Amino acid sequence: QKEVEQNSGPLSVPEGAIASLNCTYSDRGSQSFFWYRQYSGKSPELIMSIYSNGDKEDGRFTAQLNKASQYVSLLIRDSQPSDSATYLCAVNQAGTALIFGKGTTLSVSS
Amino acid sequence: SQTIHQWPATLVQPVGSPLSLECTVEGTSNPNLYWYRQAAGRGLQLLFYSVGIGQISSEVPQNLSASRPQDRQFILSSKKLLLSDSGFYLCAWSVLGREAFFGQGTRLTVV
Repeated sequence: QKEVEQNSGPLSVPEGAIASLNCTYSDRGSQSFFWYRQYSGKSPELIMSIYSNGDKEDGRFTAQLNKASQYVSLLIRDSQPSDSATYLCAVNQAGTALIFGKGTTLSVSS
Repeated sequence: SQTIHQWPATLVQPVGSPLSLECTVEGTSNPNLYWYRQAAGRGLQLLFYSVGIGQISSEVPQNLSASRPQDRQFILSSKKLLLSDSGFYLCAWSVLGREAFFGQGTRLTVV
């Protein structure tokens, strides 16, 4: 059974702080890794994708991947109240479906 | 550019009634298509995925079925809805194992 694990939170950070979200996965054959943001009542939207070990930065977001440890994380710098949402980690092994974690709820207070 | 259409946005159905949710994708060929369900306050549960016309993989045995009659059309059905079928149903597409993009979702309430 392929599994993706996330701490459900809530993770609370003050405005301007760094939010750190973590995810582990069980399938060593996984090749593609994604972070989605989901606002309440809305569908998930893609914010980051990462395919190789190391860091990938896009604006205030940095995704980190460590395949040896089966670990992927998302850092949000200068957190804003508009970042308050549920963040979903997703993992894909080539030729199969995207498997999601249960998500971490982030709350950014102003 | 690619777009995904999913309808209806909300649906209230009585127990025992049938269900048909439709999803279509524009701007891409031979996409992987997915149906997910999200119960209130829960994560995304993969229900079905399809890598081509008529090719459906079911991840969870349940009261639902899926069909892909055309390359960019994916349909989720039930003959008789249960109360436990209530949830937020999401259709998504991807290409070659890369990121998936979601439709707006259908909020189904079975009463």
